[in-house]
Amino acid sequence: QSALTQPASVSGSPGQSIAISCTGTTSDVGGYNLVSWYQQHPGKAPKLMIFEVSNRPSGVSNRFSGSKSGNTASLTISGLQAEDEADYYCCSYAGRSAWVFGGGTKVTVL
Amino acid sequence: EVQLVQSGAEVIEPGESLRISCKASGYSFPDSWIGWVRQMPGKDLEWMGIIFPRDSDTRYSPSFQGQVTISVDKSISTAYLQWSSLKASNTAMYYCVRLKRIGPMPEGYFDYWGQGTLVTVSS
Repeated sequence: QSALTQPASVSGSPGQSIAISCTGTTSDVGGYNLVSWYQQHPGKAPKLMIFEVSNRPSGVSNRFSGSKSGNTASLTISGLQAEDEADYYCCSYAGRSAWVFGGGTKVTVL
Repeated sequence: EVQLVQSGAEVIEPGESLRISCKASGYSFPDSWIGWVRQMPGKDLEWMGIIFPRDSDTRYSPSFQGQVTISVDKSISTAYLQWSSLKASNTAMYYCVRLKRIGPMPEGYFDYWGQGTLVTVSS
């Protein structure tokens, strides 16, 4: 499977909202409601932020939200804060017990 | 509390074999798929494979099939990733992950991650 397509970088000022897109195909993003998003700070392990397209795990701020339209999923961060500066990866189930990740997006808080 | 604790960093010479581990706690180890994800230096995440500890049913990414072996020891709630002959291109951080299954089949998302094991292959 090919990696999902994410923008290399997205930036915003504190308090603003930003969105990160994740584009796949009908075989992955478009075919299943099993898109998840992970936040990774430098030198740390990834952390689950969104699962099953739009659900937040307990403890994750409600400033993070997810959605999907067709073959493209999106992660929105509202009320951007300095602590949100990190890399973000999308991931989708791709059928036949396989998963595919996106290339990652570096979020910069200006 | 679910925890995945991985073995420490390794520096290995090309051609050597290696097995790294991931000890799970806080949940029923035999009944949850557990897998591995690779992150090469400065690169993105790549799913490698998963295993169901109860019966050792294993699924590999086509990119890693034949390159690595995933196994478990149920008696000590530990998953393993091993190589028989390492190359410089195997230098990467390796994360173990637990699959949150949403149905009877191995499909879902990765809800818990280990802290990572850095493998450096260099002469």
